[in-house]
Amino acid sequence: DAKTTQPPSMDCAEGRAANLPCNHSTISGNEYVYWYRQIHSQGPQYIIHGLKNNETNEMASLIITEDRKSSTLILPHATLRDTAVYYCIVRAQYNNNDMRFGAGTRLTVKP
Amino acid sequence: AAGVIQSPRHLIKEKRETATLKCYPIPRHDTVYWYQQGPGQDPQFLISFYEKMQSDKGSIPDRFSAQQFSDYHSELNMSSLELGDSALYFCASSLATLRGRNTGELFFGEGSRLTVL
Repeated sequence: DAKTTQPPSMDCAEGRAANLPCNHSTISGNEYVYWYRQIHSQGPQYIIHGLKNNETNEMASLIITEDRKSSTLILPHATLRDTAVYYCIVRAQYNNNDMRFGAGTRLTVKP
Repeated sequence: AAGVIQSPRHLIKEKRETATLKCYPIPRHDTVYWYQQGPGQDPQFLISFYEKMQSDKGSIPDRFSAQQFSDYHSELNMSSLELGDSALYFCASSLATLRGRNTGELFFGEGSRLTVL
C-alpha cells in the first residue's frame, strides 16, 4: 500500500506560491516526511524533510499538520525552472530501508 | 562542489549482452544507491551499499548485480539484457551518520541511459 497520496498534476503561475499537498494518514511516530523533485530526465533532487515542526530552507517550506497526517510543500515564488515532478516520501530518518519513490505531482509553472 | 559522477552517460546494447554502469560518489560519502527509471515511470530503488556491504535491496532482477569498492565507487552489472531493461539508471550517494544509517538526504547523479536493441 502506498504510504503517501499526491495529486497527479498541478499548475502554478510564475511568481506565485506553489502549494503541493501530500496525504500520509498512516505515518508512524518515527517517520519523517521527505520531499524530492525531478526535473525532466535529471536525477532527483532533495528539497527538504521534517518530522513535526515546520521547516524552511533556501528552496522551500514544509508545513506538517499537527496530527501529521498531511503536509504541504511550499515554493514561495515559483519560477519556470521549478517545473518538475515532486515526490513526497515517508520514511524513518535513520533507516536502512532506502528512499522509495511513488507517484508524485507533476507541477507545471506557467508564465 | 563535486557531484555524483556516473559513466557512461549513454550506452547501447543488444539483447542478451552485458552492461556495466559505474558510479563515483561525492567525496567522503560512504553510501551509494542505484535506481532504475523506465520511460514515463517513477524511479525504482534497486539496491544500496554502505561501507562496501549491501545495505538494502529493492526490485533488482537476479540478472543484475552490484558492488561497492574500497574507494566507495560502485558498479552495476547487468547481464542477459532484455528490451525492458532500457531505462535511465541513477546512482545516488549519501553520508551515513548514526550507526551507519543515513538521514535520507540523497545526492543523485545525472544518470546513465541504457538502450537495449
